[in-house]
Amino acid sequence: GEQVEQRPPHLSVREGDSAIIICTYTDSATAYFSWYKQEAGAGLQLLMSVLSNVDRKEEQGLTVLLNKKDKRLSLNLTAAHPGDSAVYFCAGPNNYAQGLTFGLGTRVSVFP
Amino acid sequence: GGIITQTPKFLIGQEGQKLTLKCQQNFNHDTMYWYRQDSGKGLRLIYYSITENDLQKGDLSEGYDASREKKSSFSLTVTSAQKNEMAVFLCASSIRGGNYAEQFFGPGTRLTVL
Repeated sequence: GEQVEQRPPHLSVREGDSAIIICTYTDSATAYFSWYKQEAGAGLQLLMSVLSNVDRKEEQGLTVLLNKKDKRLSLNLTAAHPGDSAVYFCAGPNNYAQGLTFGLGTRVSVFP
Repeated sequence: GGIITQTPKFLIGQEGQKLTLKCQQNFNHDTMYWYRQDSGKGLRLIYYSITENDLQKGDLSEGYDASREKKSSFSLTVTSAQKNEMAVFLCASSIRGGNYAEQFFGPGTRLTVL
């Protein structure tokens, strides 16, 4: 089954700067990835999902890049603002063909 | 839009106690999930259910029972709470199962065992 490693565990960025989170995965047959955001005291909010036939996807200030050769997935928060402060998780399919395998998360802090 | 409701929001139990967590969704989704979130360990799948009365074990099912009483509700039981246990239990649902599912999460139940 899939294993997902995520880095960095913590990220501090100045307001207006970009933040990049990277996940690497093991199963080259993985067909689907997603990114989630978790604000303090809340559940996970789906940000974006990508299929493996997509190299790049952009939505609302977020850019996801998928490098299948290197088995690397990245999330780029462009022009970060305080509302982006949260924990971000990447996820891929798990062993059961249901549910997801999550990375350990990246805590992003945006400071003025 | 829809919403996932989890009750209770906070749960304090005693060692050895049987504890039940409840989840309701009004998305009319087929599949529902229970995850456990521990600090530094990310989320791990406990149980999932692809339809009413269906139950499938995840990576972390030992020590838990679950029940899908109807399509909209999925409950999780901690069969014997472990002393000093602290975790957040997250319920999720998706419109269809499989790798392409997009999951929607509830706000979580925070468990503390004294």
